[in-house]
Amino acid sequence: SQTIHQWPATLVQPVGSPLSLECTVEGTSNPNLYWYRQAAGRGLQLLFYSVGIGQISSEVPQNLSASRPQDRQFILSSKKLLLSDSGFYLCAWSVMEPSQYFGPGTRLTVL
Amino acid sequence: KNEVEQSPQNLTAQEGEFITINCSYSVGISALHWLQQHPGGGIVSLFMLSSGKKKHGRLIATINIQEKHSSLHITASHPRDSAVYICAVPASGGGADGLTFGKGTHLIIQP
Repeated sequence: SQTIHQWPATLVQPVGSPLSLECTVEGTSNPNLYWYRQAAGRGLQLLFYSVGIGQISSEVPQNLSASRPQDRQFILSSKKLLLSDSGFYLCAWSVMEPSQYFGPGTRLTVL
Repeated sequence: KNEVEQSPQNLTAQEGEFITINCSYSVGISALHWLQQHPGGGIVSLFMLSSGKKKHGRLIATINIQEKHSSLHITASHPRDSAVYICAVPASGGGADGLTFGKGTHLIIQP
């Protein structure tokens, strides 16, 4: 069966520090991968999606970047965090649209 | 891009009441998701439906593709149903470019 892992579960970082959130999927091949963010008081918003290794599409301009170094690994990064980067980050995968399966999420607080 | 409107934003009801949450979207879709988010943040997929009606326990989801409208019903509501319920649709109708989410309905069921 397929599983999706995200880590860390919670993270508190100072403004200006770097960020790396990792998402891995097991039990499937060549999934589409997604990063979503839920800022405080707001709905979930798509940040990045990837249909293959090295292929990243960005939905909104921001302080973040994404990479897909392996088929089932999706990484969300920032060189310098802003206060506005605080939120709940969700990774999701799909092999047959529009089905999507969500990870447990990472709650990021930037102080 | 699809736009999603959910109503109501907040709903407080007494245990046992019948609950209805509504969702409208702007672009024709292949399927619609209903998600549940508990205070810890984790997302649970309740339904994905493309036509008609689906039932799971006390939860019922309906969709009218022509009207671009879906409803989520909870029968015999219970305090453990308290959560945020989120409607989501494919961002561009059915492609691999992720989901667009409603802002969620914050449901509180009082004993």
